[in-house]
Amino acid sequence: DGGITQSPKYLFRKEGQNVTLSCEQNLNHDAMYWYRQDPGQGLRLIYYSQIVNDFQKGDIAEGYSVSREKKESFPLTVTSAQKNPTAFYLCASSMEQEGAYGYTFGSGTRLTVV
Amino acid sequence: AQKVTQAQTEISVVEKEDVTLDCVYETRDTTYYLFWYKQPPSGELVFLIRRNSFDEQNEISGRYSWNFQKSTSSFNFTITASQVVDSAVYFCALSSFMTTDSWGKFQFGAGTQVVVTP
Repeated sequence: DGGITQSPKYLFRKEGQNVTLSCEQNLNHDAMYWYRQDPGQGLRLIYYSQIVNDFQKGDIAEGYSVSREKKESFPLTVTSAQKNPTAFYLCASSMEQEGAYGYTFGSGTRLTVV
Repeated sequence: AQKVTQAQTEISVVEKEDVTLDCVYETRDTTYYLFWYKQPPSGELVFLIRRNSFDEQNEISGRYSWNFQKSTSSFNFTITASQVVDSAVYFCALSSFMTTDSWGKFQFGAGTQVVVTP
């Protein structure tokens, strides 16, 4: 079955460390997105990519980095510059760049700083 | 700028009661899409419905129904005869691609937590 796979499901990070969250899709979707979810704040866009080797900052990109070397993969690195990284991270993809047909979401990664 | 407002933070109902979730949106675009997603405790967002800005017909799907009114910029969602399995966070979202800064990006509301007790 096609879908989006995020790993790991739970991730613990020590302060000062960089960590990378994986997102892989086998839907042949062009566009991919990373969202951060905090309680009571809904989803906020971190980065998005509408085509391979290209990506754009979202609303809260500071302290994060991404790459899009393959159509199927859009990893997110949470750097030590991110002041408050504890959150639930969701990856999504859409079949076309306009997003008119909606997103398919992964099951998320819960990151906790210890 | 685009904005989606879900004013209800949490709604608690007893099983079999109806529950209506409000969604109000703002956009300058004439062509846009509205969505509802359900997020159960497992975390993954599940697509429920998509509606484009030119289609104001209300829709019913089983126990779910949606009321889209452009005149009031609202896209409300009703669950009829609620069940415990309906307990989740529900998000309303807006997508448009007529302006450069909104192209292909969703604007999500803050979500409404629905709690259905037996």
